[in-house]
Amino acid sequence: DTEVTQTPKHLVMGMTNKKSLKCEQHMGHRAMYWYKQKAKKPPELMFVYSYEKLSINESVPSRFSPECPNSSLLNLHLHALQPEDSALYLCASSQTAGTKPQHFGDGTRLSIL
Amino acid sequence: AQKITQTQPGMFVQEKEAVTLDCTYDTSDPSYGLFWYKQPSSGEMIFLIYQGSYDQQNATEGRYSLNFQKARKSANLVISASQLGDSAMYFCAMREGFYGNNRLAFGKGNQVVVIP
Repeated sequence: DTEVTQTPKHLVMGMTNKKSLKCEQHMGHRAMYWYKQKAKKPPELMFVYSYEKLSINESVPSRFSPECPNSSLLNLHLHALQPEDSALYLCASSQTAGTKPQHFGDGTRLSIL
Repeated sequence: AQKITQTQPGMFVQEKEAVTLDCTYDTSDPSYGLFWYKQPSSGEMIFLIYQGSYDQQNATEGRYSLNFQKARKSANLVISASQLGDSAMYFCAMREGFYGNNRLAFGKGNQVVVIP
């Protein structure tokens, strides 16, 4: 079992829908991340929160909107997605020191119809 | 320029044999960390092992060990006594600088299939 919990595990949505992905960790980590991963490819960084503040946005389209309500929770709000947004979305958390690994959740498999 | 290079094609490994996965990296920062992750077909990314640029000894974690050759900028993962559950994609990743940079640069990954 991973210590980073992501819900839902699977999500199918239409291009006009609004949905949210949720991520939770209770390891006391102060950095949290969203990644997008296509099949057989490495994860691509989308957003980084450090001490609940957005520190990195990798030029992600505005149809993806992150939110960090507190140090344990990370949300990714989705609106008007495109078919090419279908992917595995991974959440991760870590201590802020660079010697510590990022711990990943199981991911949400997102399909856009 | 690519910071992490993993060039081996998909590999088939006999159960109980050892396998070495190659990883070379490129950085001018003297402070960096190297991480290996395992991703089974189910999708979760599992942290395996870490090597810091100033670490004097090669990292080991159970059946995983890292052959760290700093001058060659390589950090190869060695899995001893392969098991069927080791079948997965393996990613090498690097973080440059120990503070203030949360980015992980991933390689393209190595696919490993363990056969009985």
